[in-house]
Amino acid sequence: QSVLTQPPSASGTPGQRVTISCSGSSSNIGTHTVTWYQQLPGTAPKLLIHSNNLRPSGVPDRFSGSKSGTSASLAISGLQSEDEADYYCAAWDEGVNGRVFGGGTKLTVL
Amino acid sequence: QVQLQQSGPGLVKPSQTLSLTCAISGDSVSSNSAAWNWIRQSPSRGLEWLGRTYYRSKWHYDYAISLKSRITINPDTSKNQFSLQLNSVTPDDTAVYYCTRDTSLDDIWGQGTMVTVSS
Repeated sequence: QSVLTQPPSASGTPGQRVTISCSGSSSNIGTHTVTWYQQLPGTAPKLLIHSNNLRPSGVPDRFSGSKSGTSASLAISGLQSEDEADYYCAAWDEGVNGRVFGGGTKLTVL
Repeated sequence: QVQLQQSGPGLVKPSQTLSLTCAISGDSVSSNSAAWNWIRQSPSRGLEWLGRTYYRSKWHYDYAISLKSRITINPDTSKNQFSLQLNSVTPDDTAVYYCTRDTSLDDIWGQGTMVTVSS
């Protein structure tokens, strides 16, 4: 059971906008910034969003993040077939003094 | 460009010690702006943070509470690398293990090492 809660799956058609939610608590998302990762099959997770809504260089601006209270969201606009992957949220947690992850959301591009 | 290269055995016997090393290029393990983590991933546990070390005038260590009695992360400044030791492993420790570097601006992952705990 992951500390951060994500829907197990999401889907959309090419060109659509999809959002993935990440729910936490006051000890993690409520206090610390959220990071989002994309993981393609057989590869290591890749940083998509850090500090709630900042994109590292090289990440398309189709990807955006937001945070409100103890929840966060990842939005992908102009969905493309290569966006089909697993997406994870993460944050530091004061309660366990460690980093916690969501269980991951498998995005399918129909 | 920062790169992390992992090494270590892919098969460990139950009750023995899992040892992995992460060699750093393009940065220093003694950097004042980075933290060096070990994370694992398995179908049953998902992504699980194991612990980290970082240098801010002195070395700091944080470990996952569930592993605190079994885990050690050590920096090696002479080889610019850091290591993971996990004692008394069981089949439940079977996972892909990743070393990572995080800063306020980015997050770099090693290639991952599949470690199987089996006799």
